[in-house]
Amino acid sequence: NAGVMQNPRHLVRRRGQEARLRCSPMKGHSHVYWYRQLPEEGLKFMVYLQKENIIDESGMPKERFSAEFPKEGPSILRIQQVVRGDSAAYFCASSPPSRPNTEAFFGQGTRLTVV
Amino acid sequence: AQRVTQPEKLLSVFKGAPVELKCNYSYSGSPELFWYVQYSRQRLQLLLRHISRESIKGFTADLNKGETSFHLKKPFAQEEDSAMYYCALRQTLRQLTFGSGTQLTVLP
Repeated sequence: NAGVMQNPRHLVRRRGQEARLRCSPMKGHSHVYWYRQLPEEGLKFMVYLQKENIIDESGMPKERFSAEFPKEGPSILRIQQVVRGDSAAYFCASSPPSRPNTEAFFGQGTRLTVV
Repeated sequence: AQRVTQPEKLLSVFKGAPVELKCNYSYSGSPELFWYVQYSRQRLQLLLRHISRESIKGFTADLNKGETSFHLKKPFAQEEDSAMYYCALRQTLRQLTFGSGTQLTVLP
């Protein structure tokens, strides 16, 4: 089991472009969480998804950010029209269906830099 | 609102010395507290949780509801303990609230 895989590890975007961050959960895991870490701050919850469902998006900015976890394929965090303030490390975590968030395993993160 | 505070951004100790990483929280309900560790170039991983009351790699943490603290302790630090440590609180069955982290450096 390769663990939670995130790609790309590093992403550079110009202001106004779109950023797509991918997260492949561990095998057998159906719960995915996205967290954002701004410089000098802790990880902040963004969104919790199960396959084809958004369970909790209370941490997502109201505009430009969206997330999905389709039936097939990785979970995608999409940021439209990126701004400098979006520069951060974005972490994905997954957990098995029987123990949501008790055993959350993290990916290595995607570092987004907006220039 | 729930909050996790780790007052020390950086902490250095000598090998063999005791180490304590501080964590305070604010939460109105019954909290679940965790410590996560991130070694250099590795992913964030769970170190221990207060529910299991276990000792992992010599680390322990006791939940003190009176002081709203969950400090991480180890009596004799090792160089391989050098890492970033995050305290986290779970307020629902879904999401974690993290502190800003403490970078521990164990000097030879």
